Amino acid sequence: NAGVMQNPRHLVRRRGQEARLRCSPMKGHSHVYWYRQLPEEGLKFMVYLQKENIIDESGMPKERFSAEFPKEGPSILRIQQVVRGDSAAYFCASSSDREQAFFGQGTRLTVV
Amino acid sequence: QKEVEQNSGPLSVPEGAIASLNCTYSDRGSQSFFWYRQYSGKSPELIMSIYSNGDKEDGRFTAQLNKASQYVSLLIRDSQPSDSATYLCAGGPGGGNKLTFGTGTQLKVEL
Repeated sequence: NAGVMQNPRHLVRRRGQEARLRCSPMKGHSHVYWYRQLPEEGLKFMVYLQKENIIDESGMPKERFSAEFPKEGPSILRIQQVVRGDSAAYFCASSSDREQAFFGQGTRLTVV
Repeated sequence: QKEVEQNSGPLSVPEGAIASLNCTYSDRGSQSFFWYRQYSGKSPELIMSIYSNGDKEDGRFTAQLNKASQYVSLLIRDSQPSDSATYLCAGGPGGGNKLTFGTGTQLKVEL
């Protein structure tokens, strides 16, 4: 049973470009969460999704950031017009109903 | 603002000793608590989950929860150098969703 799969593992974007981060949850998991970890800081919740629905996006910046979890395919975290402050590790986690979440390996975004 | 507080450390313990990691939380609505281990540059790895007051043991790890004091702890017995990592405490309303993380405690197990 494969774990939570994230790709790419490393992503470099120039300021103003778009970043797309992908997350495939563990088999049987229908809940997906995105977290961001800035250097030397803790993990911060961004968004919680179930299939085709955003349940809680209270941690996501209002502008430039969006997330989806379509019926088919991985969850996508999209960052438009990236800025240097977006450089961070972005982790996806998944869980089944009301169980603990397991994390993927993360995508390390660097904006140059 | 819901917060989870941890001492950033580093906490240094000799090999074979007991490491004690502590965490406090402010949201009395939190029902579930987790300890994750994170090696530098790696993803968080779930170590323990605890949902009710008292102790929960799993191998060398024991998690303790006191909801009245809003306090969670993790004990690591017979500490090994491979236990050297940052330990993240997290709390949430139930299950795995929308966890609030502390900033982590760095543990160093010395030979």
